[in-house]
Amino acid sequence: KAGVTQTPRYLIKTRGQQVTLSCSPISGHRSVSWYQQTPGQGLQFLFEYFSETQRNKGNFPGRFSGRQFSNSRSEMNVSTLELGDSALYLCASSLVPRGSTDTQYFGPGTRLTVL
Amino acid sequence: TQLLEQSPQFLSIQEGENLTVYCNSSSVFSSLQWYRQEPGEGPVLLVTVVTGGEVKKLKRLTFQFGDARKDSSLHITAAQPGDTGLYLCAGENSGGYNKLIFGAGTRLAVHP
Repeated sequence: KAGVTQTPRYLIKTRGQQVTLSCSPISGHRSVSWYQQTPGQGLQFLFEYFSETQRNKGNFPGRFSGRQFSNSRSEMNVSTLELGDSALYLCASSLVPRGSTDTQYFGPGTRLTVL
Repeated sequence: TQLLEQSPQFLSIQEGENLTVYCNSSSVFSSLQWYRQEPGEGPVLLVTVVTGGEVKKLKRLTFQFGDARKDSSLHITAAQPGDTGLYLCAGENSGGYNKLIFGAGTRLAVHP
């Protein structure tokens, strides 16, 4: 079974631009979560989608948004990029919405660099 | 705000040594997970502990969840170079929608 795939793997943008990242979950998984990982802040939760609905959202500005499609694939968008948005963006999928006994599987991430 | 503090931040040891990584919080979590992340990859789940006082073993790795479900530890016996990586603990709260809160991680380097 194929794992979680994220595209692109690497991206370089300049301040003020916008970016869209894509995540394809493991086949059959309907829940997708997004995280931002930076050396200073570590791994921080962005949002979670299940059945095309956002279930949960972290403490990020409105420039960060996402959506999920009927095939469970998800995209996240960052508008008006800032230098501080440079990070590894990780997507994780699970069968059902996050629960204490559920397992989520992470993709390899998209490394975004903002110049 | 719930926080998870991991210590130490960095650990550099020789092959064969034992080590313990700690994950502490002032908050109670419904469960706690440990992940290992290698360069260029996403975190991989090692274990989930749910019950206070629970101990789980995974070969040379021993995980413990504190009685009050506020802290956890990971002990590695006879570390090997293949254990090198970033170890992350993540706590899940049960208030309303579940969210995972990650610690900053412990970067472990095991030298041959």
